Amino acid sequence: GDSVTQMEGPVTLSEEAFLTINCTYTATGYPSLFWYVQYPGEGLQLLLKATKADDKGSNKGFEATYRKETTSFHLEKGSVQVSDSAVYFCALSGLSSGGGADGLTFGKGTHLIIQP
Amino acid sequence: KAGVTQTPRYLIKTRGQQVTLSCSPISGHRSVSWYQQTPGQGLQFLFEYFSETQRNKGNFPGRFSGRQFSNSRSEMNVSTLELGDSALYLCASSPSTGSGNTIYFGEGSWLTVV
Repeated sequence: GDSVTQMEGPVTLSEEAFLTINCTYTATGYPSLFWYVQYPGEGLQLLLKATKADDKGSNKGFEATYRKETTSFHLEKGSVQVSDSAVYFCALSGLSSGGGADGLTFGKGTHLIIQP
Repeated sequence: KAGVTQTPRYLIKTRGQQVTLSCSPISGHRSVSWYQQTPGQGLQFLFEYFSETQRNKGNFPGRFSGRQFSNSRSEMNVSTLELGDSALYLCASSPSTGSGNTIYFGEGSWLTVV
């Protein structure tokens, strides 16, 4: 079945540092790829998405490019802020995802801590 | 536009009881899906409903069930609760179904089974 692998962390960075969170996936066909963010005590918020190979999703300074040749969707940000501290989830949606046709398959989540 | 609304936000139940969680999707959204989040297993897909029909189901026992009403609101039910059912249950909605749709999540219902 489909799967998503990402570093779990915690990842600790200083403010204004460059961020990369790696995400690789295994899926049949051509899945759509997503990054979600979860702040403490809250639900998931969509950060960005890409629906086909070579698409770049971007939002709030974060970017990720859908790389089919390396089955990756790494999240990057040039200069992180304390307010970016959260848990980041990489996810895919495709055939046979989560046991069904359209459910999201999530990675384990990466806990990001930004220190002032 | 209001987001996905889940009720109740917090609840405590005893082993063997059953629980019903409610979800109101974003206005105009016809697809509702449910996920379970635990520290050990992470986020796992439970099921998806579209136009009152269950389209697909994750790998959960039959104690977990759901339904969708004609106004797209959804409920999920867990019967014969076990300690391991303690989790954050997230409801999500999207305009339609299909892998390219953006899925929007509610804040979740925190269930504690004692």
